[in-house]
Amino acid sequence: SQQGEEDPQALSIQEGENATMNCSYKTSINNLQWYRQNSGRGLVHLILIRSNEREKHSGRLRVTLDTSKKSSSLLITASRAADTASYFCATDANTQGGSEKLVFGKGTKLTVNP
Amino acid sequence: DGGITQSPKYLFRKEGQNVTLSCEQNLNHDAMYWYRQDPGQGLRLIYYSQIVNDFQKGDIAEGYSVSREKKESFPLTVTSAQKNPTAFYLCASSIRGGWNEQFFGPGTRLTVL
Repeated sequence: SQQGEEDPQALSIQEGENATMNCSYKTSINNLQWYRQNSGRGLVHLILIRSNEREKHSGRLRVTLDTSKKSSSLLITASRAADTASYFCATDANTQGGSEKLVFGKGTKLTVNP
Repeated sequence: DGGITQSPKYLFRKEGQNVTLSCEQNLNHDAMYWYRQDPGQGLRLIYYSQIVNDFQKGDIAEGYSVSREKKESFPLTVTSAQKNPTAFYLCASSIRGGWNEQFFGPGTRLTVL
């Protein structure tokens, strides 16, 4: 089945720096979503970008989508120690029968050092 | 408060036992999902349900069973047939349709002794 693949697997930065995570997927999608997971917790939805959108902002988050390259990036600006978490992209499948589920990648583990 | 709850938070099981994980939501969502997460890994879909009294297998359904008798509840049973059940289990719900935002519960960590 199709799957988003995040890159890098792990990222360590200093507070105040920007963090960029990438996601690649295999087949046509309706939308792509990014989620955050703190250690030992459930996932929290961050942002959804539709297939006809190229860029979306939410606070310090900026998401881009390039459907021709089947890739997306998540940028966190001016990072804080509280941003330390794992970040996952998730895609649905744009099929004739409609999509009923999301497929999650393996995630990028972000560590922001104070 | 609207939300999705899972219980228990930690669960210990002896080999050969069946255990049931609870998932309840009061968001009035039609769709509910069960995922398994292993250390350092992403989420893998076990079962999902788009409507009451209907559910479908996900990518790793073997050794698991579910029921969807009520809109707000989607319990997952981990049977003795599941060879390696130790994992973190996450339940989620959404408006019907796989392209919608999913809301996650806090998870249940299952350990087989």
